[in-house]
Amino acid sequence: DAGVIQSPRHEVTEMGQEVTLRCKPISGHNSLFWYRQTMMRGLELLIYFNNNVPIDDSGMPEDRFSAKMPNASFSTLKIQPSEPRDSAVYFCASSFHVIWWEQYFGPGTRLTVT
Amino acid sequence: AQSVTQLGSHVSVSEGALVLLRCNYSSSVPPYLFWYVQYPNQGLQLLLKYTSAATLVKGINGFEAEFKKSETSFHLTKPSAHMSDAAEYFCAVPQGGSEKLVFGKGMKLTVNP
Repeated sequence: DAGVIQSPRHEVTEMGQEVTLRCKPISGHNSLFWYRQTMMRGLELLIYFNNNVPIDDSGMPEDRFSAKMPNASFSTLKIQPSEPRDSAVYFCASSFHVIWWEQYFGPGTRLTVT
Repeated sequence: AQSVTQLGSHVSVSEGALVLLRCNYSSSVPPYLFWYVQYPNQGLQLLLKYTSAATLVKGINGFEAEFKKSETSFHLTKPSAHMSDAAEYFCAVPQGGSEKLVFGKGMKLTVNP
């Protein structure tokens, strides 16, 4: 079985540009999580969805960040406009509702904003 | 709210030595506790989980953890470190009645030859 798929794996962009990160969860999983990892702040939950519906977006840092899940097999995290402080590794994870906290992480997208 | 504490950020052991990574949870007894491992340039993966069924939990790659209520701890151990164990290890606890996991700050394990 394929795991969680994220694209791109690396993204380098200039400040002010729009960035879109993509995630395909494991088939059959109905919860999806977006995390951000930095040296300074560690692993932070940005937002999570259940059955494609955003449940908790309290971790989204500001209005520049938005996330969507149009269907069960695809989600995006968009940053517009991007800033250097957004540089981080962004992870997507998915889980199955019966086993809530067994989250399966993707390989991450390393974002560098110059 | 539930939380976990991993004191320190880095531990170094020799190959073949005991690995001990500490995790303490906040005062109320959690129904579940987790250890996740992150190998270099990869996402996190579940190492083991405590579900109240047994206090000693065995995970993948020879790791185990013991839940001790009296010490509010869930330390991760492995009798003999291998070079391939070099990674960052995160303790985690569910938050409230949600699907959210609260992760500790992580502990980077280095294994020296």
